[in-house]
Amino acid sequence: GQNIDQPTEMTATEGAIVQINCTYQTSGFNGLFWYQQHAGEAPTFLSYNVLDGLEEKGRFSSFLSRSKGYSYLLLKELQMKDSASYLCAAMDSNYQLIWGAGTKLIIKP
Amino acid sequence: DAMVIQNPRYQVTQFGKPVTLSCSQTLNHNVMYWYQQKSSQAPKLLFHYYDKDFNNEADTPDNFQSRRPNTSFCFLDIRSPGLGDAAMYLCATSPGVDSRTDTQYFGPGTRLTVL
Repeated sequence: GQNIDQPTEMTATEGAIVQINCTYQTSGFNGLFWYQQHAGEAPTFLSYNVLDGLEEKGRFSSFLSRSKGYSYLLLKELQMKDSASYLCAAMDSNYQLIWGAGTKLIIKP
Repeated sequence: DAMVIQNPRYQVTQFGKPVTLSCSQTLNHNVMYWYQQKSSQAPKLLFHYYDKDFNNEADTPDNFQSRRPNTSFCFLDIRSPGLGDAAMYLCATSPGVDSRTDTQYFGPGTRLTVL
């Protein structure tokens, strides 16, 4: 079956760095997406990786290892507004997104 | 600004009373999606349209129907809402030009309450 695993909840301190991990098992693979979702709001697109390696976009970076079925989202210089759920989604061979349940990130002052 | 719009943002209905949720987009995207998301769970794909081609997910209950009368609009009909259908309903669009990089863009969602 197809599956996405990510931690349910993480806590970090304002100004620090946090890494949110995601492992995936899909029938075929056409890329991995990260979305941010604030409570009660819709997901917003953060990043897309299809090749191995690190993609940096400001304070956020996303990493992919296709051989390991593994990705992480790295958030630097954390701000209180980064408190949200972070959803990992892998695109399978049919170009369908398989979604994780999200990691709730709590930022403390 | 180009965007995905959902109305209403909050919908309250009674058990068994039909309800329709609407979605419109100004992005001129080919693909439109309807998701159901319950608290702390992954979004669950109900339907998607590639242009006018309708794709129903295998485990979407018959209670849910959808219409896409034109490129810009898409509707979700819940024929007889049950208490278990209370959720956030998310509409998303994607360009549908290159499947491999087909990023989905979401509307603000409609939160459905069933009394």
